[in-house]
Amino acid sequence: GQSLEQPSEVTAVEGAIVQINCTYQTSGFYGLSWYQQHDGGAPTFLSYNALDGLEETGRFSSFLSRSDSYGYLLLQELQMKDSASYFCAVRLYGGSQGNLIFGKGTKLSVKP
Amino acid sequence: DTEVTQTPKHLVMGMTNKKSLKCEQHMGHRAMYWYKQKAKKPPELMFVYSYEKLSINESVPSRFSPECPNSSLLNLHLHALQPEDSALYLCASSQDGQGWEQYFGPGTRLTVT
Repeated sequence: GQSLEQPSEVTAVEGAIVQINCTYQTSGFYGLSWYQQHDGGAPTFLSYNALDGLEETGRFSSFLSRSDSYGYLLLQELQMKDSASYFCAVRLYGGSQGNLIFGKGTKLSVKP
Repeated sequence: DTEVTQTPKHLVMGMTNKKSLKCEQHMGHRAMYWYKQKAKKPPELMFVYSYEKLSINESVPSRFSPECPNSSLLNLHLHALQPEDSALYLCASSQDGQGWEQYFGPGTRLTVT
């Protein structure tokens, strides 16, 4: 089977750096995406890693290592508005187009 | 315009009612999706339309019926729902069927009584 594991909750202070890990057990996948969802809101696309390595987009970076079955989302200079749930997601080899499998999500709380 | 719109925002319906959820995007995207999301859970894919053709149906009960009238519109017809179907129903779109970068609408909060 396949599973994506994320910590259920992470707490950090404003201005700090936080890393949200995503470990997976799958038979193979095309790439790793990250989405942010505020309470009561819709998921918002953050990043996508098709290849191993680091992708940087402003304060957010995402990393993928297929050999380690591991990825992470790095949030720098945390702001209160970053308090949200963060989901990693993959599309499996052999899966239908657009069929993203989401992790259970990590709830990030940013404290003053 | 990078927005996906959904109507209605909230819907309360009885188990014998028939209702429809609507979704619209004007980004020229060729794939559109319906997801169901329960509280504190990740989105679960229900249907995918790619180039206006249904390409996936994740074993969703027949009381949910999708329709894609054109490349900008997506409907979800609801009939004889159960209380456990109460959830947030999200529509999303992506440029193509690969679906890495999906744009989500604000959702319809459905309550079945």
